[in-house]
Amino acid sequence: GQNIDQPTEMTATEGAIVQINCTYQTSGFNGLFWYQQHAGEAPTFLSYNVLDGLEEKGRFSSFLSRSKGYSYLLLKELQMKDSASYLCAVMDSNYQLIWGAGTKLIIKP
Amino acid sequence: IAGITQAPTSQILAAGRRMTLRCTQDMRHNAMYWYRQDLGLGLRLIHYSNTAGTTGKGEVPDGYSVSRANTDDFPLTLASAVPSQTSVYFCASSDSQGSDTQYFGPGTRLTVL
Repeated sequence: GQNIDQPTEMTATEGAIVQINCTYQTSGFNGLFWYQQHAGEAPTFLSYNVLDGLEEKGRFSSFLSRSKGYSYLLLKELQMKDSASYLCAVMDSNYQLIWGAGTKLIIKP
Repeated sequence: IAGITQAPTSQILAAGRRMTLRCTQDMRHNAMYWYRQDLGLGLRLIHYSNTAGTTGKGEVPDGYSVSRANTDDFPLTLASAVPSQTSVYFCASSDSQGSDTQYFGPGTRLTVL
């Protein structure tokens, strides 16, 4: 079966750095997406990785290792507004997105 | 430009009733999707459409139907609602079915009693 695993909840301090991990087992791979979802709102796109390595976009970076079936999202200089759920999703061989259950990130002052 | 709109925002429905959730996008995207999101679970694909006139089944299609008469609209119909269909429903669209980014509507919170 297809599976995406990510921690259920994480807590971090304002101004710090946090790394959210995602491991996956899917039938085929056509890229990995990270989305942010604030409570009661729609998911919004953060990043896309299809090749191994690190993609940096401002305070957010995303890393992919296809051989290990592993990705992480790195958030730097955390702000209170970063409190949200972070969703990892993999596009499988049928070009359908398989979603993890999300990691709820709590930022404390 | 609104992006993707969904209606209604929320709805309480009696079991056995028919309900259509509406979704409209103004980005001229070819592909559209319907997901449901339940607590503790990832988003699950119900139905999708790669282009106007075509539809396909996702992971959890039973009890739902869709149509895609034009590029902009992608309604989701529950023919006879059951309590297990209580969920938050998100419509999304992308330029193509490939690895293009999916953009989400604001969601419809549906409660079936």
